[in-house]
Amino acid sequence: QSVLTQPPSVSGAPGQRVTISCTGSTSNIGAGYDVNWYQQLPGTAPKLLIYGISDRPSGVPVRFSGSKSGTSASLAITGLQAEDEADYYCQSYDTSLSGYVFGTGTKVTVL
Amino acid sequence: QVQLQESGPGLVKPSETLSLTCTVSGGSISNYYWTWIRQPPGKGLEYIGDIYYSGSTNYNPSLKSRVTISVDTSNNQFSLRLNSVTAADTAAYYCARVRVGSFDFWGQGTLVTVSS
Repeated sequence: QSVLTQPPSVSGAPGQRVTISCTGSTSNIGAGYDVNWYQQLPGTAPKLLIYGISDRPSGVPVRFSGSKSGTSASLAITGLQAEDEADYYCQSYDTSLSGYVFGTGTKVTVL
Repeated sequence: QVQLQESGPGLVKPSETLSLTCTVSGGSISNYYWTWIRQPPGKGLEYIGDIYYSGSTNYNPSLKSRVTISVDTSNNQFSLRLNSVTAADTAAYYCARVRVGSFDFWGQGTLVTVSS
């Protein structure tokens, strides 16, 4: 029942730049709500990676960046590293559901 | 550093009630919203609901008829009850803190299996 759509998978070689899109609608991202991103390493709980569209919590490497335009948002990983292989989820708030919503999730593979 | 820890039965029978508690340490439960999120095996994340320390709640419309989230400020805990469970409720259940619309601290998660 995810209302935010992400590509199922993206891949890249070490050092490359990859981007993950998060497509929403006028009731969530397009309504002006912040987009947050989470990284989930295998077998672990999700970890906040980006909040408020583009801010990084303390300790998150600068190679992770976020952006937003209209009803979509993106997460970019610049200088891909082997340790970045994980699942990534976007998250926002939806006014029609009156609650938080997650993206469908994207698996990042480092070739 | 705020830490969260989920606790409760790992196995629940169909039609019964799933009950989990999240204990918050390293900080007060006051002045924040707290949330439950679940993840079926091999699938994505689903928001269940949240509660303010004062007790006001919000629930995912798809689960609202079966969910109750409560808070116990004296013990720095909040809890989840999900009734009439089926196999579709089998998932890892996470508790987390809500801050400015994001979930900044998470518990490690607990797997709950619904099976007879």
